[in-house]
Amino acid sequence: SQQGEEDPQALSIQEGENATMNCSYKTSINNLQWYRQNSGRGLVHLILIRSNEREKHSGRLRVTLDTSKKSSSLLITASRAADTASYFCATAADSWGKLQFGAGTQVVVTP
Amino acid sequence: DAGVIQSPRHEVTEMGQEVTLRCKPISGHNSLFWYRQTMMRGLELLIYFNNNVPIDDSGMPEDRFSAKMPNASFSTLKIQPSEPRDSAVYFCASSFDTYNEQFFGPGTRLTVL
Repeated sequence: SQQGEEDPQALSIQEGENATMNCSYKTSINNLQWYRQNSGRGLVHLILIRSNEREKHSGRLRVTLDTSKKSSSLLITASRAADTASYFCATAADSWGKLQFGAGTQVVVTP
Repeated sequence: DAGVIQSPRHEVTEMGQEVTLRCKPISGHNSLFWYRQTMMRGLELLIYFNNNVPIDDSGMPEDRFSAKMPNASFSTLKIQPSEPRDSAVYFCASSFDTYNEQFFGPGTRLTVL
């Protein structure tokens, strides 16, 4: 079963706009991670936020974590066509760092 | 570093044949994960190793699937016999210690006819 559930399933925006996607999960976590997958490629790690952190930035990416609501959001600012990809959240809950991935949000950025 | 290396990149085989997928993790990483991705089921964790020891294989779908990690730089995922429903993209990922980011290989696209 999937721990993380992303919302929306798909998102279409124009270049320059911001893209926001959300992730909800069910159990307590050690950390939450966001990954990007371009069509036909492997997943690329974007950002990791630990359970005691509330917000993290990396370039044009901003991630928030609300453990009381068991939810996280990923914001991509000033989107570019190259940001077109699927974005997955993954939660690490067990003692071995096993990740459980959500179904992903498919983002399309049009020029 | 070359990243996680997987081979082959594409595999087409007939039902009933044995399939072996290979993975070389990033040097120094001590955790290795095998995933399967399909449109219907998304990304599923099949098995993961820590220090070459299998920790959790509860995601392995059936006894037809087996995985080994004979040393820190090599792992295999074997399907015997293969079935059409095994068609998927299989990813290998590695990480340095637990709770850290995982680095994914490019995947092996398996088609079983």
